[in-house]
Amino acid sequence: GAVVSQHPSWVICKSGTSVKIECRSLDFQATTMFWYRQFPKQSLMLMATSNEGSKATYEQGVEKDKFLINHASLTLSTLTVTSAHPEDSSFYICSAREGGYEQYFGPGTRLTVT
Amino acid sequence: QKEVEQNSGPLSVPEGAIASLNCTYSDRGSQSFFWYRQYSGKSPELIMFIYSNGDKEDGRFTAQLNKASQYVSLLIRDSQPSDSATYLCAVKGHAGGTSYGKLTFGQGTILTVHP
Repeated sequence: GAVVSQHPSWVICKSGTSVKIECRSLDFQATTMFWYRQFPKQSLMLMATSNEGSKATYEQGVEKDKFLINHASLTLSTLTVTSAHPEDSSFYICSAREGGYEQYFGPGTRLTVT
Repeated sequence: QKEVEQNSGPLSVPEGAIASLNCTYSDRGSQSFFWYRQYSGKSPELIMFIYSNGDKEDGRFTAQLNKASQYVSLLIRDSQPSDSATYLCAVKGHAGGTSYGKLTFGQGTILTVHP
């Protein structure tokens, strides 16, 4: 149980374009989903928290107009990186929680912006 | 002071030995603590969580929590080369705190188990 998927697993895009990453909870209803970013040799940094049906809450320093988050259902959240630049290249990881304590992580999406 | 601190390592232990990973946290009101394992290029996977003072055992893993000292540790018995990974300590924000419901991660400890 508690399986979270992400799609795509890796993506390469050109600078200035947008890319969407999907996060799905496969066997439970995720009341809350989290989006993290991890740069090489660094720990996970929380970008935003999203609750189903409401606006995402962004961490300080994360541009909400650049990183668009939609949590339209209890099993799906999306992160859209708009006007991507090479400095946005990173490992993006979502996690999901069903109102309990544990967060379960998706496999991550490696974004490379050229 | 960082909110969650871990020795970055690397920690190197021989196969079959006990690996001891340590973590301290700054928010005295914290109640929930988690250990994740992350292999290179992969996302974290939950190993254990602990909420109460004392020890919690699950197979070869034992989590230890001392809230008075604001210290949580993970022991891995009979370490195997497949245990080689980065181990992340995470603390969940408590009600009334600024990070309620969110996980704050330490920087991770790199563990290498050599044959």
